[in-house]
Amino acid sequence: GENVEQHPSTLSVQEGDSAVIKCTYSDSASNYFPWYKQELGKRPQLIIDIRSNVGEKKDQRIAVTLNKTAKHFSLHITETQPEDSAVYFCAASIRDTGRRALTFGSGTRLQVQP
Amino acid sequence: NAGVTQTPKFQVLKTGQSMTLQCAQDMNHNSMYWYRQDPGMGLRLIYYSASEGTTDKGEVPNGYNVSRLNKREFSLRLESAAPSQTSVYFCASSERWGASLGETQYFGPGTRLLVL
Repeated sequence: GENVEQHPSTLSVQEGDSAVIKCTYSDSASNYFPWYKQELGKRPQLIIDIRSNVGEKKDQRIAVTLNKTAKHFSLHITETQPEDSAVYFCAASIRDTGRRALTFGSGTRLQVQP
Repeated sequence: NAGVTQTPKFQVLKTGQSMTLQCAQDMNHNSMYWYRQDPGMGLRLIYYSASEGTTDKGEVPNGYNVSRLNKREFSLRLESAAPSQTSVYFCASSERWGASLGETQYFGPGTRLLVL
């Protein structure tokens, strides 16, 4: 199965509403969980990250929560604006055959309707 | 300070042709990475270089080779391109190796490759 699963694949909200994107991971030893935002035709850019010793982290309208027991973490965007429209990727530090490396989810396309 | 740069921005190849994608960073980072991005599949790690002088395979290394030319530059080579290698390729760098330590990765603008 996938190491990092991300849902939903697409999300449409009205401007001002909240948006929630969820990810689950397979490696119970994972300890770093970043979120990247990628606008159309642009490079992925880090928007927020969380480490396993923290349950929640906020940065203005963006927050990330982590449940290590359930092995899932979520991105919360409040008071959404049209400029929040983008593809969002979660990632987790997964140990595969070699060193621990970032493994990305498949992405969520967020559309904020004005 | 340009961050991470990549060349070319776009390339069309015929099956069997070879090419090298170039990546450079000016942030004095030790670690560099190559990813490919396909629709619906997120970013998948091809190869990485934890530090100058070392390279290691990632999740999808088949059909690729890499060279860490110096601390700044990390190239990706396709020896015999195949249509399955049609993708967008991103280079990234981080100050140190250590996904478990929470090392932020900074991405380049990407190279869009089409193999016919």
